[in-house]
Amino acid sequence: DSGVTQTPKHLITATGQRVTLRCSPRSGDLSVYWYQQSLDQGLQFLIQYYNGEERAKGNILERFSAQQFPDLHSELNLSSLELGDSALYFCASSPGTGNYEQYFGPGTRLTVT
Amino acid sequence: GQNIDQPTEMTATEGAIVQINCTYQTSGFNGLFWYQQHAGEAPTFLSYNVLDGLEEKGRFSSFLSRSKGYSYLLLKELQMKDSASYLCAGVFNDYKLSFGAGTTVTVRA
Repeated sequence: DSGVTQTPKHLITATGQRVTLRCSPRSGDLSVYWYQQSLDQGLQFLIQYYNGEERAKGNILERFSAQQFPDLHSELNLSSLELGDSALYFCASSPGTGNYEQYFGPGTRLTVT
Repeated sequence: GQNIDQPTEMTATEGAIVQINCTYQTSGFNGLFWYQQHAGEAPTFLSYNVLDGLEEKGRFSSFLSRSKGYSYLLLKELQMKDSASYLCAGVFNDYKLSFGAGTTVTVRA
C-alpha cells in the first residue's frame, strides 16, 4: 500500500459526459502528479501540482482540468468525454522540494461508451 | 517531444544481469526517472538521477550521463518477479515529464 488513494476505482460513462477523479496523497506529501495510461499511448504525464499551485503541464487536453485543494487532495476533471479518453488514470504524490520519490495510487479505470 | 528512446523488449535468465538503455535529447533536461510496472498494477518508483554517475539501490542501479543524453538501469541477480515493464522518463524545462514507451523485461528460469 503506497498510502495514495484514488476514487473511484472504476468508472463507466457515456460520450459527452463529465467526470471527476479524486486523489488523496500520502500524508505530508506536497506534490501531486496525474498520469494517463492507455494501451496505444503508454504512460503520459498530464499535470503536476505543488502545495496547491500548478507546477508543470504535460499532454493535458483543454477538456481536462485539475486542481489541488488546501488539504492537498487533488481532483482531475474530464469533460466532453470521447471514446479515446478511456484509459487508466494514475495519481502519484511525492514529498516535494529535494525529494522526487513518487508514490502511485492504484489508479482509476475510466471506460467511455 | 524529447525523444525518449528505450528498447521494446529484453529477455534474460534468472540470476543474470540486464541493462536497459535510455536515450533522450539534452535540451532543457533536468533529471531522469526509472519506474517498474507489473502488468495490471500501478508503476513503482525506482530511481531519480540528476547528477552524472551511478546510483546503486540493492540489486538495481541507475546511471546517468547528462552530456551524452544517456541513462541505463541495471538489474542484477535477476529474479522471476523482475519480469515487468521498465519506464524511463525525462524531466524537461523544470518539471515537465516525458516518458519512453517502456521496455518489457522477461526473466526465464
